[in-house]
Amino acid sequence: QKEVEQDPGPLSVPEGAIVSLNCTYSNSAFQYFMWYRQYSRKGPELLMYTYSSGNKEDGRFTAQVDKSSKYISLFIRDSQPSDSATYLCVPSNTGNQFYFGTGTSLTVIP
Amino acid sequence: DADVTQTPRNRITKTGKRIMLECSQTKGHDRMYWYRQDPGLGLRLIYYSFDVKDINKGEISDGYSVSRQAQAKFSLSLESAIPNQTALYFCATSDSGTGAPEQYFGPGTRLTVT
Repeated sequence: QKEVEQDPGPLSVPEGAIVSLNCTYSNSAFQYFMWYRQYSRKGPELLMYTYSSGNKEDGRFTAQVDKSSKYISLFIRDSQPSDSATYLCVPSNTGNQFYFGTGTSLTVIP
Repeated sequence: DADVTQTPRNRITKTGKRIMLECSQTKGHDRMYWYRQDPGLGLRLIYYSFDVKDINKGEISDGYSVSRQAQAKFSLSLESAIPNQTALYFCATSDSGTGAPEQYFGPGTRLTVT
């Protein structure tokens, strides 16, 4: 079983839509849950992270973790064409080793 | 200037050749990593180093070697390149002192082995 499972998409939405990106994981020891954004031909960049369960909001982005079901979500409100990228979910146990999902490709159509 | 730089950005080489990818960082971070990215497989860890004298194998280290020449420099070598090492390679850094699980990535090296 893979450590992290992520639907690769591609996902295409109209501008202004609410986007939901999801991952599942298998290791109950994971404590940190990161979301990275990767634009085409660029390195991944950290979007936000949460520690343990709960929600975290940053502008139009909300990260949600449900440890009981081992489910990670990223919500994007009022999506913009500039949000078009691949989104990677990345859980970690101690913050020393990182387990990358395969990424979901998102396109926001103007 | 970018905090994490990788050279070269693109490289085409032939099977059997030795090749070195270099990574430099100005962030002052102690930890450095090498990943490869393949379509449908995501990023996979090749090697990582938590300080200059510490080198650890990652998930897919076979066929690769690394050298941590200084805190700011971490090189990845392919001793005898083969076509299935064609991929996008990323270097990343992190800071053990912050307690935050953040990695900072370079722009990547696109390697093609023919």
